[in-house]
Amino acid sequence: DQQVKQNSPSLSVQEGRISILNCDYTNSMFDYFLWYKKYPAEGPTFLISISSIKDKNEDGRFTVFLNKSAKHLSLHIVPSQPGDSAVYFCAASPETSGSRLTFGEGTQLTVNP
Amino acid sequence: NAGVTQTPKFRVLKTGQSMTLLCAQDMNHEYMYWYRQDPGMGLRLIHYSVGEGTTAKGEVPDGYNVSRLKKQNFLLGLESAAPSQTSVYFCASSRSTGRAEEEQYFGPGTRLTVT
Repeated sequence: DQQVKQNSPSLSVQEGRISILNCDYTNSMFDYFLWYKKYPAEGPTFLISISSIKDKNEDGRFTVFLNKSAKHLSLHIVPSQPGDSAVYFCAASPETSGSRLTFGEGTQLTVNP
Repeated sequence: NAGVTQTPKFRVLKTGQSMTLLCAQDMNHEYMYWYRQDPGMGLRLIHYSVGEGTTAKGEVPDGYNVSRLKKQNFLLGLESAAPSQTSVYFCASSRSTGRAEEEQYFGPGTRLTVT
């Protein structure tokens, strides 16, 4: 069963607007959530993370929101730039398993100039 | 500082052939991982290692073996390749804390096709 799910395979936004990428999870043991970004022909790179004790974490143009009761998190990118076009993976881990991550399927973000 | 490197970048195998994928990291990381990425399925953990000489099974270990004889290298072996193992394989490494928030550093990937 897919414990981390990204229901939107793709998202297209205009440059300068907000991009919102969504992620849902089913395992209530997940304590930590991360977003990775992947360009074609490259490996994923870490973008931002959030602990379950918080509901928001911000880093420049990127903000992650966590709603534990709904088992839902989202990544907001404001303003979106063409260089943000990439596949974004949501990942989760229970604290007890250390760095074993469960990834979602990914969302392809395209930012149009 | 090359980070995480993977060899080879591309490979085509016939069913039943064997091969070894090599991962090397120069960041002195304790933890190393092998993932596979398939369309519509994200990244799935195959095997991982928490230090030199150790290995452990991940989510999809069947058909693969691994070895960590040196801290900087993590090898993934396919003894008898099957078409279901056609995938993009990523190696990653992280520091020794083993904490969930520890960033993983990924290699560029190996695209393997089994015919």
